[in-house]
Amino acid sequence: NAGVTQTPKFQVLKTGQSMTLQCAQDMNHNSMYWYRQDPGMGLRLIYYSASEGTTDKGEVPNGYNVSRLNKREFSLRLESAAPSQTSVYFCASQTGVGGAVNQPQHFGDGTRLSIL
Amino acid sequence: GQQLNQSPQSMFIQEGEDVSMNCTSSSIFNTWLWYKQDPGEGPVLLIALYKAGELTSNGRLTAQFGITRKDSFLNISASIPSDVGIYFCAGQRNYGQNFVFGPGTRLSVLP
Repeated sequence: NAGVTQTPKFQVLKTGQSMTLQCAQDMNHNSMYWYRQDPGMGLRLIYYSASEGTTDKGEVPNGYNVSRLNKREFSLRLESAAPSQTSVYFCASQTGVGGAVNQPQHFGDGTRLSIL
Repeated sequence: GQQLNQSPQSMFIQEGEDVSMNCTSSSIFNTWLWYKQDPGEGPVLLIALYKAGELTSNGRLTAQFGITRKDSFLNISASIPSDVGIYFCAGQRNYGQNFVFGPGTRLSVLP
C-alpha cells in the first residue's frame, strides 16, 4: 500500500544512547517532515526537507539531526538520547516544491520512543 | 511562534449526538486542514479548506473556513463509536510555509 512507513514502531533507550529513526515514502513526494507529539501539545516540527538534498530546522531541532538519503527516505537521529526526548515521533510527506505547496501532509503511524 | 488554539480540549458525547469543535488563531491563514488521529496511529486527513467561507463535507463531517481567515470549524453529525479519537486542525499562513498544528480535541463517544 502506498504511504509513509516508519521503523521501528517502538523503542526503549537508555540516556546517552544513540538511535536513528527511519522513514520512507512511496508517493514520489518532494517534501518530508519529522514531528514529535507530546500530550496536550499537538505536533511540533523538528526538521524538514523541502526537497531532496535540502534540510532545515523546524520549531524544536535541538538534540536531533536528519539526513535526506534520497527522495524516498528521511531519517532522524538522536546522537545522545535524553529523557526529555521521550515522545511519539511522526514522519510526514507532502507534494511540496514544484507542486501544490498548500497540499496536505501524509503521516506515518509513528515511532514510540521511551528514554530511561 | 504561530499558535493555534482548539476548543474544546476534550468532549464526551452520547452516540447519535452532533459534535462541534473549532480552531482559532491570532494570524490569518490561507489553508486549513482537519486531521483525525486514532489511538496508536498517525493523523489522517479528513478535510482540506483553501478559501475563506468555504464549506466542505466528507460524509458526516463538515468543515468551514472562517470568513475572518483566523478560524475554522468542524462538525460531526450523528456521532458513532468509531468517531472516537483526537481531532487536529492545521493551518498554513502563506503558500510554501510549513503547517502549524493545534493541540487537538479529544472526542469520546459513549454508547
